[in-house]
Amino acid sequence: AQTVTQSQPEMSVQEAETVTLSCTYDTSESDYYLFWYKQPPSRQMILVIRQEAYKQQNATENRFSVNFQKAAKSFSLKISDSQLGDAAMYFCASQPYGKLTFGQGTILTVHP
Amino acid sequence: EAGVTQFPSHSVIEKGQTVTLRCDPISGHDNLYWYRRVMGKEIKFLLHFVKESKQDESGMPNNRFLAERTGGTYSTLKVQPAELEDSGVYFCASSQRTGSSYNEQFFGPGTRLTVL
Repeated sequence: AQTVTQSQPEMSVQEAETVTLSCTYDTSESDYYLFWYKQPPSRQMILVIRQEAYKQQNATENRFSVNFQKAAKSFSLKISDSQLGDAAMYFCASQPYGKLTFGQGTILTVHP
Repeated sequence: EAGVTQFPSHSVIEKGQTVTLRCDPISGHDNLYWYRRVMGKEIKFLLHFVKESKQDESGMPNNRFLAERTGGTYSTLKVQPAELEDSGVYFCASSQRTGSSYNEQFFGPGTRLTVL
């Protein structure tokens, strides 16, 4: 069974600063994917970044990067140079195949 | 290209009534998923269609929930009779079906269901 845990219900950051959102997971699969999704208020959930478990190199997408620690089953998201538009609920998710297993979500507030 | 759409955006019903939620996936996407987020908890998988066939329905909570995808296009999720604990946001997602083990899932805006 897959489990994903986000231990930070809420986080806040000042505009232009850096923030890290935590995520741990558990899986018995040897091959899987990990994701961070973003859901802005009253808007659709969109994919921020994904990581293939077999790749050692951490994924990056512009200001978004991950710290993937496979042995520790940790998958944190770092947002650099935070912008007001980054304010949203962030979900960590895992996927061996097909369905996604989500964490509880972290609400990120960005202060101007 | 139109994204995943869901109807209605909100639904408020009395306990014991029936509600039908609809999802229109992105055109050409064979995979269709239903998820649910009960207030304050994580988003949970309900079921997965490949075209019109149910690939995985392990997340369906009980037999009050019925999902269909006739013709492999849009899908409906019927709750009958609705109970208080069914309240939450129901998400639909779709993805292409390719030979890869990974296909990005695109989400709809969700339907917020409130059972009174």
